[in-house]
Amino acid sequence: KNEVEQSPQNLTAQEGEFITINCSYSVGISALHWLQQHPGGGIVSLFMLSSGKKKHGRLIATINIQEKHSSLHITASHPRDSAVYICAVEVDSNYQLIWGAGTKLIIKP
Amino acid sequence: NAGVTQTPKFRILKIGQSMTLQCTQDMNHNYMYWYRQDPGMGLKLIYYSVGAGITDKGEVPNGYNVSRSTTEDFPLRLELAAPSQTSVYFCASSHTLWGGGGLKETQYFGPGTRLLVL
Repeated sequence: KNEVEQSPQNLTAQEGEFITINCSYSVGISALHWLQQHPGGGIVSLFMLSSGKKKHGRLIATINIQEKHSSLHITASHPRDSAVYICAVEVDSNYQLIWGAGTKLIIKP
Repeated sequence: NAGVTQTPKFRILKIGQSMTLQCTQDMNHNYMYWYRQDPGMGLKLIYYSVGAGITDKGEVPNGYNVSRSTTEDFPLRLELAAPSQTSVYFCASSHTLWGGGGLKETQYFGPGTRLLVL
């Protein structure tokens, strides 16, 4: 069993829909990252969370440390949001990240 | 700031050849990382560095070497290229919010180097 599991693996939605991508992990962490990889391959860091909730524009990320679960939400989705969204966790007392396999999101106009 | 830069963008190697992937960051970050991403797969950590002169192995270090002589540069060396090393390589950097093993800031990624070994 992978230490970081993302769901769904693939998600196709219509423009304007509310999107939720989930990340569950099985190890103790000091922080969780959400990243976005564009079709061209470039990677952009979206959020780093250690508790609670963060919001950037139409993106919202939440984390529940007790339940070892995080969600990334996109409101009013747009075709330019189409990308792979990756969850990664920083393990306690360790400098490395453990990566999820990513969720491929396609937003249709 | 240029952020994290990587060169080359694309390279084709023959089996057994060697090459160095360059990575430079101008943000004065202590931590630097090398990842590889195989088609349809997630990122895997090859090596990382917590500061100049300090490097350590990640999940998939075999076939690679690194050095960190300066804060800015973190080159990745492939000595004997193999087809299994065909991948996209990403360099990243970050800096600590506080000292010791404290929480790190977000990692900043370079644009990637696409490597094909034939």
